Amino acid sequence: EDQVTQSPEALRLQEGESSSLNCSYTVSGLRGLFWYRQDPGKGPEFLFTLYSAGEEKEKERLKATLTKKESFLHITAPKPEDSATYLCAVQIMFSGGYNKLIFGAGTRLAVHP
Amino acid sequence: EAGVAQSPRYKIIEKRQSVAFWCNPISGHATLYWYQQILGQGPKLLIQFQNNGVVDDSQLPKDRFSAERLKGVDSTLKIQPAKLEDSAVYLCASSFDRGTSGANVLTFGAGSRLTVL
Repeated sequence: EDQVTQSPEALRLQEGESSSLNCSYTVSGLRGLFWYRQDPGKGPEFLFTLYSAGEEKEKERLKATLTKKESFLHITAPKPEDSATYLCAVQIMFSGGYNKLIFGAGTRLAVHP
Repeated sequence: EAGVAQSPRYKIIEKRQSVAFWCNPISGHATLYWYQQILGQGPKLLIQFQNNGVVDDSQLPKDRFSAERLKGVDSTLKIQPAKLEDSAVYLCASSFDRGTSGANVLTFGAGSRLTVL
């Protein structure tokens, strides 16, 4: 069964304290791994897509990496405005050749001044 | 570019009542998705449309949920009758590509929060 697991469920950091979020997956026919950010009361906002093992992408204080079984979202010197829920999702191909996006439960990040 | 529009933003109903949510995707996006997000969980796909045809509704509780996408543009998700466990945020998303090759980026609306009492 296709599965996406994120850890930790919640993370509290001090401003400037770097850390990493983990996303492990068990799927067949991976077409891409996505990271989204979700603020309270809003829909998920796209951050990155990774397609193959070894790939890395960066955006401001965020860097996403991908291996064959997991992805990491590294947050360097976070600021309070980075507080949000970070969702990992895998896109797989299913019958008919269409794509399906399966989400993990998310990591709730709180960055305190 | 205008985003994905959803309404209403909030709805409170009693169990066994009905409710409908509306979604207008980004212009030109062929694929439209409805997700259910229960508090503290990740979004779960309910139904996926390609233009106005259904390509996946395997997790849609068909005894109470229905959805349609007329003319391949906007979409309506209906729940009748509602149960307590339907309390959630209903997210609509759309993507530009035809969903048959590569990976496609979904753009989400702000969601419709349903509370069933």
